[in-house]
Amino acid sequence: SFVLTQPPSVSVAPGQTARITCGGNNIGSTGVHWYQDKPGQAPVLVVYDDSDRPSGIPDRFSGSNSGNTATLTISRVEAGDEADYYCQVWDSNSDHPWVFGGGTKLTVL
Amino acid sequence: EVQLVESGGGVVQPGGSLRLSCAASGFTFDDFGMHWVRQAPGKGLEWVSHISGDGTNTYYADSVKGRFTISRDNSKNSLYLQMNTLRTEDTALYFCATEGSSGTYSFFQHWGQGTLVTVS
Repeated sequence: SFVLTQPPSVSVAPGQTARITCGGNNIGSTGVHWYQDKPGQAPVLVVYDDSDRPSGIPDRFSGSNSGNTATLTISRVEAGDEADYYCQVWDSNSDHPWVFGGGTKLTVL
Repeated sequence: EVQLVESGGGVVQPGGSLRLSCAASGFTFDDFGMHWVRQAPGKGLEWVSHISGDGTNTYYADSVKGRFTISRDNSKNSLYLQMNTLRTEDTALYFCATEGSSGTYSFFQHWGQGTLVTVS
């Protein structure tokens, strides 16, 4: 089954672009989904199927996936984007198909 | 508006049992698979269990298999997690979530606020 690797932390200044990676063996062969997790709040799906956004998610959030790396890109970062971000895949061939990455803390400087 | 409200968390001794509930509203409950996901203090998200919309298929993480049982009552729009033989490492905030799918891949569409389970 997939093992997903994320950097523990990413820091970016307001207005800049943040890129959060999710590494996995041939992860480009499957769909990757991303969640925003803020303390005291329910996690929120921000990108699904590599690059699609649920309704209500700003177009500042985008995603890509190729080879061994998927990337969540947050453009024009705002203070309110500070959160933990998790990638996730679904491995239909596994007995426990839903896998999360370890999470990345995004700090807005 | 989709609403998921978890309840049933609390403090329990190692070896004890607890039953979590999740009340769902704002969507056709039996059309969707449902999940339990947990987050230990200071740790990441961990998928725990999944149940299909009609309740016939279930999946469990290895860490809980044989100890936890997921179920649902579609007549009550409710999801449950029966947790037995609890361990200190089961201490976590437990979320229920709806299964989302684009038709190809499965993800977690909507989440509740969680209920805290402390095993101590």
